[in-house]
Amino acid sequence: GESVGLHLPTLSVQEGDNSIINCAYSNSASDYFIWYKQESGKGPQFIIDIRSNMDKRQGQRVTVLLNKTVKHLSLQIAATQPGDSAVYFCAEIYTGRRALTFGSGTRLQVQP
Amino acid sequence: DAGVTQSPTHLIKTRGQHVTLRCSPISGHKSVSWYQQVLGQGPQFIFQYYEKEERGRGNFPDRFSARQFPNYSSELNVNALLLGDSALYLCASSTDSYSNQPQHFGDGTRLSIL
Repeated sequence: GESVGLHLPTLSVQEGDNSIINCAYSNSASDYFIWYKQESGKGPQFIIDIRSNMDKRQGQRVTVLLNKTVKHLSLQIAATQPGDSAVYFCAEIYTGRRALTFGSGTRLQVQP
Repeated sequence: DAGVTQSPTHLIKTRGQHVTLRCSPISGHKSVSWYQQVLGQGPQFIFQYYEKEERGRGNFPDRFSARQFPNYSSELNVNALLLGDSALYLCASSTDSYSNQPQHFGDGTRLSIL
């Protein structure tokens, strides 16, 4: 399939290592955040979300951290697997707005 | 369970033509949003529909229009196609129109303008 992001920042990790993908968001009024994974030729796949009244949320092998003071979001993936290779987007939204605003994306490459 | 389904998966058009893209939301989801994703960028919001009414519109020209049907499926129409309209068009559905619910995406329609 056609590549999603040809010139995105790339994070390259070894299989089994932990990955951390960072995102700076722009709107201090944003109160809901989502991480999406997009594989080549596919649409964005929901990974995990977090609301602004939380600092941390954990899922299966993934953790999202939110620092509202510096408007920073991170996605941690434990024991990264080859199937985790994809482009990762953070998205933000605030109450009353209808549209998600997406970050520029990070390509994660997992080396076997 | 079926996710968001979009048709067609690929489409080739020429400048000046019009196109209709279709989306079926996840069962039980009443809100449908459309996004445009240009190669190398994140998706950009075009429209949101809920209960057949437009609830939000992004910064796109009037050549772009959409509608939602009683079964919550939706169509995106683009008239007078330009080369710059070449992109992946994504549909997302959610349970309602409130901002704090996750939107789930289909795999999109790849539109190429020649």
